[in-house]
Amino acid sequence: NAGVTQTPKFQVLKTGQSMTLQCAQDMNHEYMSWYRQDPGMGLRLIHYSVGAGITDQGEVPNGYNVSRSTTEDFPLRLLSAAPSQTSVYFCASSYSLGSGGLYNEQFFGPGTRLTVL
Amino acid sequence: TQLLKQSPQFLSIQEGENLTVYCNSSSVFSSLQWYRQEPGEGPVLLVTVVTGGEVKKLKRLTFQFGDARKDSSLHITAAQPGDTGLYLCAGGPSGGSNYKLTFGKGTLLTVNP
Repeated sequence: NAGVTQTPKFQVLKTGQSMTLQCAQDMNHEYMSWYRQDPGMGLRLIHYSVGAGITDQGEVPNGYNVSRSTTEDFPLRLLSAAPSQTSVYFCASSYSLGSGGLYNEQFFGPGTRLTVL
Repeated sequence: TQLLKQSPQFLSIQEGENLTVYCNSSSVFSSLQWYRQEPGEGPVLLVTVVTGGEVKKLKRLTFQFGDARKDSSLHITAAQPGDTGLYLCAGGPSGGSNYKLTFGKGTLLTVNP
């Protein structure tokens, strides 16, 4: 199994451009999430999904859109990139242990390093 | 928003020394996870603690969950250069599911040979 894969690994955008960060997992996990990691800020949840067709906002959703048409894929779209979105983005997936998925391990992808000029 | 405060933020020690890092909150968590992240990679789970007062050992690493489930500690005995990395704690919301974790800002550990 490849686990959680993310593309691209690096990306440079100009302010106002749009792009999609790809995330895929081959573990048949129900739950998928997007985080951003900034120096001194830890990991902050952007959006998450509890299954195909179901998404919800996390702590810092503004400027980002997501969709979940399949179990495997969870792309993150930047609508109009801003310098404040310069960050490292991590996608994660986890499985359900029943009862709402308590105590699940999150499996992280290798990250996408995005710079917005 | 439930907040997790990790301390210290940075720690640089010599090989063979012992160390403890802390994860504290004013909120109660259903569970507490510790992850380690190496440069250029995503975090990898080390342990999950779910019961107040619980202690788990993973080789030279000892994890403890506070009795009130508001804090946790990670103790490393005889640190080695391979222990170098960013240590993150993450809390599952009380009464909620763990896929919506709250992460601390991390402790960056450097173990010098």
